Amino acid sequence: DAGITQSPRHKVTETGTPVTLRCHQTENHRYMYWYRQDPGHGLRLIHYSYGVKDTDKGEVSDGYSVSRSKTEDFLLTLESATSSQTSVYFCAISDRSPGSTYNEQFFGPGTRLTVL
Amino acid sequence: DQQVKQNSPSLSVQEGRISILNCDYTNSMFDYFLWYKKYPAEGPTFLISISSIKDKNEDGRFTVFLNKSAKHLSLHIVPSQPGDSAVYFCAATGTASKLTFGTGTRLQVTL
Repeated sequence: DAGITQSPRHKVTETGTPVTLRCHQTENHRYMYWYRQDPGHGLRLIHYSYGVKDTDKGEVSDGYSVSRSKTEDFLLTLESATSSQTSVYFCAISDRSPGSTYNEQFFGPGTRLTVL
Repeated sequence: DQQVKQNSPSLSVQEGRISILNCDYTNSMFDYFLWYKKYPAEGPTFLISISSIKDKNEDGRFTVFLNKSAKHLSLHIVPSQPGDSAVYFCAATGTASKLTFGTGTRLQVTL
């Protein structure tokens, strides 16, 4: 299994509070991704990173920000959590760029976030 | 706009029989297709893939078929086992296209 961990694994928070989710990898892969999984929507890309301090938006980036200060860590922040951000969040890594063929991604175990 | 579609949200198959999961796509720029398997409370795991230069790829009990003219792919599992019960996601990618996932099909293999 690819060495990807996510923390916390579960979190319950209240509307309006800031939340930060952490993804840590030991594979030294260049590319890292944050997805959310919701019923009826599959996995949707929030943000991705193609290197330290290099990030870009995915299809559902509103309300989220990311940071990557080290190769191994990719943080997802909800500045002011809303109930619509209740979801399961997955981090993924890859050694191929987002727009390339053969872009197999390897996923972490997920974080279940509930915003009350 | 859902570029990758899995129209069957669920499928139930008897142990030992064939499971066929289907996936359709609309973006003609997709040239690499993947299937992921997901168990509850775990992340998706890569299962099998196929390039658009092929129409079939086989790995043990799992075979993926690609019909480019119909923009359709399918995953065959033969024989199905209870441990195959999971949610299966189809995904597609290509030049200048990020990995795009379908909505998933929940497969239940019954005894």
